[in-house]
Amino acid sequence: GNSVTQMEGPVTLSEEAFLTINCTYTATGYPSLFWYVQYPGEGLQLLLKATKADDKGSNKGFEATYRKETTSFHLEKGSVQVSDSAVYFCALSSGGSNYKLTFGKGTLLTVNP
Amino acid sequence: ETGVTQSPTHLIKTRGQQVTLRCSSQSGHNTVSWYQQALGQGPQFIFQYYREEENGRGNFPPRFSGLQFPNYSSELNVNALELDDSALYLCASSLAGGANSPLHFGNGTRLTVT
Repeated sequence: GNSVTQMEGPVTLSEEAFLTINCTYTATGYPSLFWYVQYPGEGLQLLLKATKADDKGSNKGFEATYRKETTSFHLEKGSVQVSDSAVYFCALSSGGSNYKLTFGKGTLLTVNP
Repeated sequence: ETGVTQSPTHLIKTRGQQVTLRCSSQSGHNTVSWYQQALGQGPQFIFQYYREEENGRGNFPPRFSGLQFPNYSSELNVNALELDDSALYLCASSLAGGANSPLHFGNGTRLTVT
């Protein structure tokens, strides 16, 4: 079955530091890959996505590249801000469906001023 | 545009009781999915509804059931509540289609079973 493994947190950084959150996956076929972000007290928001190998998703300074050879989709940001503090979830969908997402356990990021 | 709204925001129930959670889809969306997010875990897919019928289900027992109405709003019903049902329940809406139609999540209902 499908599964997503992401870097366990919590991750604590200073403002303007470089961020990497690792994510690897196991899936049948050719999954689509996503990063969602959950701010305190809120639901999940789609941060970025990639639907095929070598695609790069990007949004709000965050980037992730779909690497089929390493089955990875690591999230990166060059300079984090305090407002980036949240829980980040890596997820995949497969079989042509966009609704049945398999999520990782989430990584709590705290950015200090 | 109006986003996904869920009600209530918090709920406390006793083991063995039944609960109904409600979700209004984002304007223009015709599918609704429900997820359970236990504390410290990622969300787990419960089921999806399209055209008022269940259109996919995760690994949840039959006491988890749902409805979708003609206006695309939805309900999640859980019977015979167990302590392990305590979680954040998330509703997500989307347009029917592939991965180019991403899910839009509500803020969730926090259910506590005592």
